[in-house]
Amino acid sequence: GAGVSQSPSNKVTEKGKDVELRCDPISGHTALYWYRQSLGQGLEFLIYFQGNSAPDKSGLPSDRFSAERTGGSVSTLTIQRTQQEDSAVYLCASSRQSSGTSGANVLTFGAGSRLTVL
Amino acid sequence: GIQVEQSPPDLILQEGANSTLRCNFSDSVNNLQWFHQNPWGQLINLFYIPSGTKQNGRLSATTVATERYSLLYISSSQTTDSGVYFCAGLNKAAGNKLTFGGGTRVLVKP
Repeated sequence: GAGVSQSPSNKVTEKGKDVELRCDPISGHTALYWYRQSLGQGLEFLIYFQGNSAPDKSGLPSDRFSAERTGGSVSTLTIQRTQQEDSAVYLCASSRQSSGTSGANVLTFGAGSRLTVL
Repeated sequence: GIQVEQSPPDLILQEGANSTLRCNFSDSVNNLQWFHQNPWGQLINLFYIPSGTKQNGRLSATTVATERYSLLYISSSQTTDSGVYFCAGLNKAAGNKLTFGGGTRVLVKP
């Protein structure tokens, strides 16, 4: 697609429920990132996918969080047994590649999924 | 991973003023980007600038890689420049995750 698409844009859930957030990156982008942004705060890295390589999961805050990327394209972030502290905007970004040495690494962000846990 | 510090945390400008935002890194970076987050939350890439100087309209950025810092210049600020400016860096040896600073919140008053 023309941009990074995220859904849902807003999600309100009850504590203890599971939620799934979806990210559809720009076609042809091999690198995909998930970040979390709490109100008024910076971006917290969660997980990174690059092509067929094993994902970098070092930012996932607990084992309630998981993510997958099917077919090297769409990614789903799953939060199980949601807690109130999970409330935040979850941002997805993609780039053409991640060699770390060229402008192809410029990240394009989606509009985010705002999660509210009651 | 690397640490990224931004200063100042907040900046209030009168329309037409110039300003400089700074980003310091704890280690060398292979990839450095500046972003603007508008009041509606959308993040837009401004510059990919691991070294050197770039200009785009009223905005310019300079990265001194050997000194581990980058500067973002806003000239003749406009109210539409309001928002949060983030820098982010990546050190490939430390992994491929792009680490963000805490941001500089800019308010441009008419």
